Amino acid sequence: ETGVTQSPTHLIKTRGQQVTLRCSSQSGHNTVSWYQQALGQGPQFIFQYYREEENGRGNFPPRFSGLQFPNYSSELNVNALELDDSALYLCASSPRGSFHEQYFGPGTRLTVT
Amino acid sequence: QQQVKQSPQSLIVQKGGISIINCAYENTAFDYFPWYQQFPGKGPALLIAIRPDVSEKKEGRFTISFNKSAKQFSLHIMDSQPGDSATYFCAASENTPLVFGKGTRLSVIA
Repeated sequence: ETGVTQSPTHLIKTRGQQVTLRCSSQSGHNTVSWYQQALGQGPQFIFQYYREEENGRGNFPPRFSGLQFPNYSSELNVNALELDDSALYLCASSPRGSFHEQYFGPGTRLTVT
Repeated sequence: QQQVKQSPQSLIVQKGGISIINCAYENTAFDYFPWYQQFPGKGPALLIAIRPDVSEKKEGRFTISFNKSAKQFSLHIMDSQPGDSATYFCAASENTPLVFGKGTRLSVIA
């Protein structure tokens, strides 16, 4: 059984640019959540996608947006990057009927210079 | 507003000892309390989780103790090993999302 995968592993962008991060959910999982983890902090919820629609959003501005595809994979897009967006971006998938259980991927380390 | 408070921030335990990490929450609507283990450069891995209808859950060397009236829960790692050295996060949720504590860096020394 393949776990949650994310790409790319690392990314360096310049302030003001746009970035797209990708996530493939674990087999049998249909819900994807995205979190931002700053250095030395716990993950912070960005949003969740279920049935290709946003199903809850944390305290993040609209320049953070996402998509979920029919195969349950997902993208996180961030526009107008700011220095404070530098963080580890984590994707987590949940089994059918169990939003609570969240299994994380290895993350994408984004550095904004 | 920090909804889940975790302590201690760091912990050093001798090999074979018991590691204890505590969390307190504010939102009484929370109904799911997981613990995650994270190694450097990796994503958090789900260790064990509990619902508020039970006071204790054990899986191998890991035990969650839950006190609903005090709004507190804790992780006990029995017979701690150097391989347990990692950062541990408690979390809580009501449906979704997970609200995480700030983490505890555990070092198990031989």
